[in-house]
Amino acid sequence: AQSVTQPDIHITVSEGASLELRCNYSYGATPYLFWYVQSPGQGLQLLLKYFSGDTLVQGIKGFEAEFKRSQSSFNLRKPSVHWSDAAEYFCAVGAPGGATNKLIFGTGTLLAVQP
Amino acid sequence: GAGVSQSPSNKVTEKGKDVELRCDPISGHTALYWYRQRLGQGLEFLIYFQGNSAPDKSGLPSDRFSAERTGESVSTLTIQRTQQEDSAVYLCASSLNRGNTEAFFGQGTRLTVV
Repeated sequence: AQSVTQPDIHITVSEGASLELRCNYSYGATPYLFWYVQSPGQGLQLLLKYFSGDTLVQGIKGFEAEFKRSQSSFNLRKPSVHWSDAAEYFCAVGAPGGATNKLIFGTGTLLAVQP
Repeated sequence: GAGVSQSPSNKVTEKGKDVELRCDPISGHTALYWYRQRLGQGLEFLIYFQGNSAPDKSGLPSDRFSAERTGESVSTLTIQRTQQEDSAVYLCASSLNRGNTEAFFGQGTRLTVV
């Protein structure tokens, strides 16, 4: 079964600074990988996803993530953070094929943005 | 509908009562998930339906929890004899097929057990 770890519970960055949120997964083959964002009082919104192909994927709101098989990682990055990016970010992993394809989420990283 | 719809949006119930939460997935989506999100915590997988296959119930925390889905339509999550630790936001999501395409989430049902 797949699993996902987000090592950072809470991160604070200054507006305009770069951002990297870590995500590590466990799965025997290449998984499907996702990043979701949950803004205060809002539902979850998909930022980006990786299924196959180019390991650097671009998402909405200027986010990108890179799949690194050797490190079992799928870290989320943004070159310049905006105050509106303050939210909780969830990494999720899905298992292609097989009888069960449930999405498993990490525990989330809460991002605070300082002016 | 245009998106995943959950009802009620808020539910306050007394300890020991049964509650039923409803999810209307996006039309045509064969996969449906239920997750639980306790205050300040991540999404805890509860159950997964895929078409007419047997559901994956591996995340249900106890036998007080059950869920049903008829075909590719509405799903209901039932919690019997509610306990205070059941207080959480219950999120439903649907996706197009078993290939784990994007999962679309509803706004959730906030359950408070008093």
